[in-house]
Amino acid sequence: GNSVTQMEGPVTLSEEAFLTINCTYTATGYPSLFWYVQYPGEGLQLLLKATKADDKGSNKGFEATYRKETTSFHLEKGSVQVSDSAVYFCALSDPGANSKLTFGKGITLSVRP
Amino acid sequence: GAGVSQTPSNKVTEKGKYVELRCDPISGHTALYWYRQSLGQGPEFLIYFQGTGAADDSGLPNDRFFAVRPEGSVSTLKIQRTERGDSAVYLCASSPTGLSYNEQFFGPGTRLTVL
Repeated sequence: GNSVTQMEGPVTLSEEAFLTINCTYTATGYPSLFWYVQYPGEGLQLLLKATKADDKGSNKGFEATYRKETTSFHLEKGSVQVSDSAVYFCALSDPGANSKLTFGKGITLSVRP
Repeated sequence: GAGVSQTPSNKVTEKGKYVELRCDPISGHTALYWYRQSLGQGPEFLIYFQGTGAADDSGLPNDRFFAVRPEGSVSTLKIQRTERGDSAVYLCASSPTGLSYNEQFFGPGTRLTVL
């Protein structure tokens, strides 16, 4: 079956630090890959996505590249801000599995001033 | 425009009781999904509707859980004989067509507590 594995958290960084959050996946088909974010007190929202191998998704300074050879979709940001403090979820959607999302456990990022 | 809304935002019930959770998707979205999120975990899929029909209910944990979407818009998740283990945040999401590369738009969730 499909699965998503995220690195263990939580992660605490100082403002302007470099961020990497690892995500690897297992899928039977050719999935689309997503990063969703949940800011404090808010609902889940899409941060970025990539729908085929070697695609790079980007938004709000975050980037992730769909790596089929390593089955990975690591999230990066060059300089984090306090406002990036949130819970980040990696997810996949398999067209052979009725487009339902399979999520990782999520990781909490705290950015201190 | 309005996003996905869910009611109630919080529900406290006693073990053995019946509960209904409502989801209003974004207008015009044909695909609707229910997920359940336990503390410290990612959301887990429950059921997917395409229009009025349940296209995939493989995530429903047992026959105490049932969901409907009679007119292809609002959906209700129904839980019979609630158990303490059903306590979680229930999330609803909708997307325009249900294609796998579509973004799913999530509601704020209903926090269910079974005492």
